[in-house]
Amino acid sequence: DIQMTQSPSTLPASVGDRVTITCRASQSISTWLAWYQQKPGKAPKLLIHKASGLESGVPSRFSGSGSGTEFTLTISSLQPDDFATYYCQQCYSYPWTFGQGTKVEIK
Amino acid sequence: EVQLVESGGGLLQPGGSLRLSCAASGFTFSSYSMNWVRQAPGKGLEWVSYITSVSSTIYYADSVKGRFTISRDNAKNSLYLQMNSLRDEDTAVYYCARDCGDYGGTFDYWGQGTLVTVSS
Repeated sequence: DIQMTQSPSTLPASVGDRVTITCRASQSISTWLAWYQQKPGKAPKLLIHKASGLESGVPSRFSGSGSGTEFTLTISSLQPDDFATYYCQQCYSYPWTFGQGTKVEIK
Repeated sequence: EVQLVESGGGLLQPGGSLRLSCAASGFTFSSYSMNWVRQAPGKGLEWVSYITSVSSTIYYADSVKGRFTISRDNAKNSLYLQMNSLRDEDTAVYYCARDCGDYGGTFDYWGQGTLVTVSS
């Protein structure tokens, strides 16, 4: 199975900060990576597909990059609604696997 | 508007069985592959199972293989997960999720989830 490792696990940040979350795959997954946002008690929401494709309706302050084994999710200017947990997920090969999550919390 | 509504969760003892359902609306259900993804309390996300639009291909996570069965009824716009031989570690919120990936594995719409608690 492909292991996905996110860093950091927790990210204290303030409104307006530029935030970057890293996701590493245990083997190359090309650009077969998605990013999700999850708020407490809610279902995850797809933000980014194929490493850098912004889902319709997702604010442009979110961006994704990377290929192979290293990927990043960047929030250019953190907004109050962005405090949440973020997960990366590989869809290169079954079984599809998620990172352990990164909680973006108020500093 | 795409809607996915899970039902069927509950509290049961180890070794028991349960059938989850997911009612889909707002899109052509028969054209999409579907998935079940679960989340144990306070933990991360774990993909559970996948089924293609016409049920021709089915995958399971190793953790549920041989115990869980995914199925769908396109005439009823419904997805199912039959869960047998349940274990404590199956306790989780179970989400159904629509698949939008070229080859599977990208989940663009999710239901609100249904909680399954396995405890003696």
